[in-house]
Amino acid sequence: EIVLTQSPGTLSLSPGERATLSCRASQSVSSSYLAWYQQKPGQAPRLLIYGASSRATGIPDRFSGSGSGTDFTLTITRLEPEDFAVYYCQQYGSSPRTFGQGTKLEIK
Amino acid sequence: QVQLVQSGAEVKQPGASVKVSCKASGYTFTNYGITWVRQAPGQGLEWMGWISAYNGNTNYAQKLQGRVTMTTDTSTSTAYMELRSLTSDDTAVYYCAKGGQWLPIDYWGQGTLLTVSS
Repeated sequence: EIVLTQSPGTLSLSPGERATLSCRASQSVSSSYLAWYQQKPGQAPRLLIYGASSRATGIPDRFSGSGSGTDFTLTITRLEPEDFAVYYCQQYGSSPRTFGQGTKLEIK
Repeated sequence: QVQLVQSGAEVKQPGASVKVSCKASGYTFTNYGITWVRQAPGQGLEWMGWISAYNGNTNYAQKLQGRVTMTTDTSTSTAYMELRSLTSDDTAVYYCAKGGQWLPIDYWGQGTLLTVSS
């Protein structure tokens, strides 16, 4: 099983700042089958990034993903108030399809 | 537009079973699989398994093997997840979602809250 470890657990930033979220895998994620999701309280998750670096439909270009192998990053430039939420990474190339434990992005 | 509409909240006693439905619309149901994910109160996302809507092949999380069954009804574009021998640890919001097997999960249902309590 591929274990995904996200860091930091909580990130406190102000609107307009840049956020960098990390997702580290215990073994290589095949073919960059790595996705990032955003979840707000009381809502279902929303797909942001797939294939490690491709933005999903309708996702603003301030969200970007990078990385390969075991190290992946989600970057949000110029944080907007609506970006404060919990972010999860997930690998969907190996069974079981695992999620990271999440990073909470909170307003400083 | 793609929609996944799940059945309503459930309250079950320990030892009982629950069956959650997920009706899909807005896309060709048999072209994609359905993933089930659950989220315990205040916790993260847990992948439960996946079913192919094309041929019914399944892939379950090992910890749920023997207790979970995922099925689809292609005539109504509906997926089902049955979980048996419920305990309080199964209290969670259960989500169905489109995709998940070598494809990202791109659409999610609204979630179904399952409460297991005596």
